[in-house]
Amino acid sequence: SQTIHQWPATLVQPVGSPLSLECTVEGTSNPNLYWYRQAAGRGLQLLFYSVGIGQISSEVPQNLSASRPQDRQFILSSKKLLLSDSGFYLCAWRTPGLSNSPLHFGNGTRLTVT
Amino acid sequence: AQKITQTQPGMFVQEKEAVTLDCTYDTSDPSYGLFWYKQPSSGEMIFLIYQGSYDQQNATEGRYSLNFQKARKSANLVISASQLGDSAMYFCAMRDMYNFNKFYFGSGTKLNVKP
Repeated sequence: SQTIHQWPATLVQPVGSPLSLECTVEGTSNPNLYWYRQAAGRGLQLLFYSVGIGQISSEVPQNLSASRPQDRQFILSSKKLLLSDSGFYLCAWRTPGLSNSPLHFGNGTRLTVT
Repeated sequence: AQKITQTQPGMFVQEKEAVTLDCTYDTSDPSYGLFWYKQPSSGEMIFLIYQGSYDQQNATEGRYSLNFQKARKSANLVISASQLGDSAMYFCAMRDMYNFNKFYFGSGTKLNVKP
């Protein structure tokens, strides 16, 4: 069966520090991968998605970036965090090409920028 | 642009009773997919049920069913025989017709099941 791992679970970082969140998927090949952010009490905002190694689509212009160095690895990064980057970050995967394929989420990373 | 509206920020239901969580959507596309997710306090998003716009029957998955009224553009989630473990946030989402990578999420409904 497929599993998705996301770490760390929680993170407290000062403003201006770098960020690296990692996500890996097991049990499936060529998944589409996603990074979402959830502000407190809000729905999910799509940040990036990837349909293959090295292919990144950005949905929201900001100081975050994403990379996909391997088929089942997705990384969210920032060179300098802002206070507004605080939130709950969720990685997800999906089987490409199927209309009824849902997003499958990791457990999330709660980021607090101080 | 697609839009998902969940008008109930919070709801209470008595254990063992049924509850309906509302979701309306706005799209002019003929083909779309609707999804419901559960988010417990631990944070992970759990997929519950899917309804395609061309599906003739309402989707069901165990105690979850979807009351799909296409003309009214509503896709309400019905949870039968509520359990304490059903207490969570519930999100309705719609997949874009042209870009399967884009899902639009509602703001969620917090369900509290009372013993």
